[in-house]
Amino acid sequence: DIQVTQSPSSLLASLGERVTITCQTSQSISNNLNWFQQKPGQAPMLLIYYATSLQTGMPSRFSGQYSGRSFTLTITSLEPEDIANYFCLQHYSAPWTFGGGTKLELK
Amino acid sequence: QVTLKESGPGILQPSQTLSLTCTFSGFSLSTYGMGVGWIRQPSGKGLEWLANIWWDDDKYYNPSLKNRLTISKDTSNNQAFLKITNVDTADTATYYCARMRGPPFDYWGQGVMVTVSS
Repeated sequence: DIQVTQSPSSLLASLGERVTITCQTSQSISNNLNWFQQKPGQAPMLLIYYATSLQTGMPSRFSGQYSGRSFTLTITSLEPEDIANYFCLQHYSAPWTFGGGTKLELK
Repeated sequence: QVTLKESGPGILQPSQTLSLTCTFSGFSLSTYGMGVGWIRQPSGKGLEWLANIWWDDDKYYNPSLKNRLTISKDTSNNQAFLKITNVDTADTATYYCARMRGPPFDYWGQGVMVTVSS
């Protein structure tokens, strides 16, 4: 199975701050990784697909990059509505595996 | 407009079989490249992928649940199903179904809570 290590598990940030979350995979998965945002009591929402593509309707302050087995989600300027949990998912090979999640909170 | 909605028993006892239904609209599981997956999330914890079913009836399962999972679909009625046999308290979670079309899980249902308790 491909392991996905997500960091940090929690993050305190200020409004307007640049935020970066990372997922590291145990094997090469090309660009087969998605990022999801989940607000309390809600279902996850697709943010970024195939590592770098912004899902339709999601704000352009969200972006994804990758290099090798390291994938990053960046929020260029944190907004109040971005306070949520963030997960990555590798869908390169079964069993698909999620990162452990990052809880983003306001400082 | 794509929507998905999960339904299930709410509460069941250990050793019983959990039957979940995903009723969707706005797409068809007979369309080339379309799929539905099931994911679960214990309260306060992370997400676990369970199974996928594709338009051509191809199926994939998470081997961590060994042979307890069965995924199926009813294309005519726009439904997908997941059965988990021999449940125990570790299966207590919110269960989601989600669409796959190109990138996986672009639309999700609201989730259904399932509690396993004696």
